Amino acid sequence: SSELTQDPAVSVALGQTVRITCQGDGLRSYYASWYQQKPGQAPVVVIFGKNNRPSGIPDRFSGSTSGNTASLTITGAQAEDEADYYCNSRDSSRNFLLFGGGTKLTVL
Amino acid sequence: QVRLQESGPGLVKPSETLSLTCTVSGDSIRSFYWSWIRQPPGKGLEWIGYIYYSGRTHYSSSLKNRVAISADTSKNQFSLRLSSVTTADTAVYYCARLVDTDFYSWFDPWGQGTLVTVSS
Repeated sequence: SSELTQDPAVSVALGQTVRITCQGDGLRSYYASWYQQKPGQAPVVVIFGKNNRPSGIPDRFSGSTSGNTASLTITGAQAEDEADYYCNSRDSSRNFLLFGGGTKLTVL
Repeated sequence: QVRLQESGPGLVKPSETLSLTCTVSGDSIRSFYWSWIRQPPGKGLEWIGYIYYSGRTHYSSSLKNRVAISADTSKNQFSLRLSSVTTADTAVYYCARLVDTDFYSWFDPWGQGTLVTVSS
């Protein structure tokens, strides 16, 4: 498969936990990375590899993978987490890099 | 701190060639991979391709017939050329450093992006 599938939109109440998922055959053998993009800004990586956070990314962000599904979990969502989130990985042949279609996260 | 900055024309005519340059500071392009990614207005991200400083390149299957990425190590820059553009190529174009391993990769940092509009 040459696609990564994300839900278009997800909402979460302030302070609650939300999981954003990404499905694709390539995820069975290659981890996803996750990017946060706020309006008018470039994307910023929040998770890469098995569950690695770049410096400066709050520890409320975490990543996991099960089968062909990668997940980004925000534990205790804050208002500033409202953004678009994209997953990135390789296709099942591992030849090409892919982005998911993005998930718009609304914090209520 | 590594910084990337895209530069190039903001307007390109249909059927012509889009050309952009990414200038890297704070790191040498003789390490890692260097990539181009684009985002049409209101839409998602699309990986275009990457280059290693040695000249090895890899492109998206959907764009490989029209795209070329090159590097100039003396200027610490890498460039994108996309030929035969149409209005569908209108997008914000980002350059980014790609860290690639056997089991995962990630883009960090990114340039601020530059909007290229294809219009006559």
